[in-house]
Amino acid sequence: GAVVSQHPSWVICKSGTSVKIECRSLDFQATTMFWYRQFPKQSLMLMATSNEGSKATYEQGVEKDKFLINHASLTLSTLTVTSAHPEDSSFYICSARDNILETQYFGPGTRLLVL
Amino acid sequence: GDSVTQMEGPVTLSEEAFLTINCTYTATGYPSLFWYVQYPGEGLQLLLKATKADDKGSNKGFEATYRKETTSFHLEKGSVQVSDSAVYFCALAKLSFGAGTTVTVRA
Repeated sequence: GAVVSQHPSWVICKSGTSVKIECRSLDFQATTMFWYRQFPKQSLMLMATSNEGSKATYEQGVEKDKFLINHASLTLSTLTVTSAHPEDSSFYICSARDNILETQYFGPGTRLLVL
Repeated sequence: GDSVTQMEGPVTLSEEAFLTINCTYTATGYPSLFWYVQYPGEGLQLLLKATKADDKGSNKGFEATYRKETTSFHLEKGSVQVSDSAVYFCALAKLSFGAGTTVTVRA
């Protein structure tokens, strides 16, 4: 089946640094990818929709200058958490949409810890 | 807007018990409906889906039927195993997720 990978799987960084997370669709092309944030024991919160070749669409309350999204190809989207702070520590999950199957496939997630 | 309401957990069951997790939705039109499962320490996996009214999705012994008249997509399994312990999410095609239901199955 379709596979979506994320890299890194976990990252620890110092406050004030920037962290880039990659999301790749491995065996299908995805014009649309999504970035979610999941807090412990809670559901996924959609942060933004990433469209290949155009600007991402951010959900209300998500700072676009804080969470930079780039979707440069049909198989890769990146999320950069700029000037990370401890409150940005979370589990970040991406998904890629297979338009033919009308199904989202999720990456395994990236756990970010900001010290 | 589109939304999903999911039965709150946590749910604790014994092995071989019957499991039902309720899910109802509000949406314009007739979107595809999904159940995702998240096992401990892992990412979300698609469990099953239904794309139109009266469709039944099934996988790994789980079933859910797309009920237009009741706007529901309840997840059921007749006999759960310890390995079914996970968090289950109901979702619409338009990316609305339920809050998740944590299921723990005890031997």
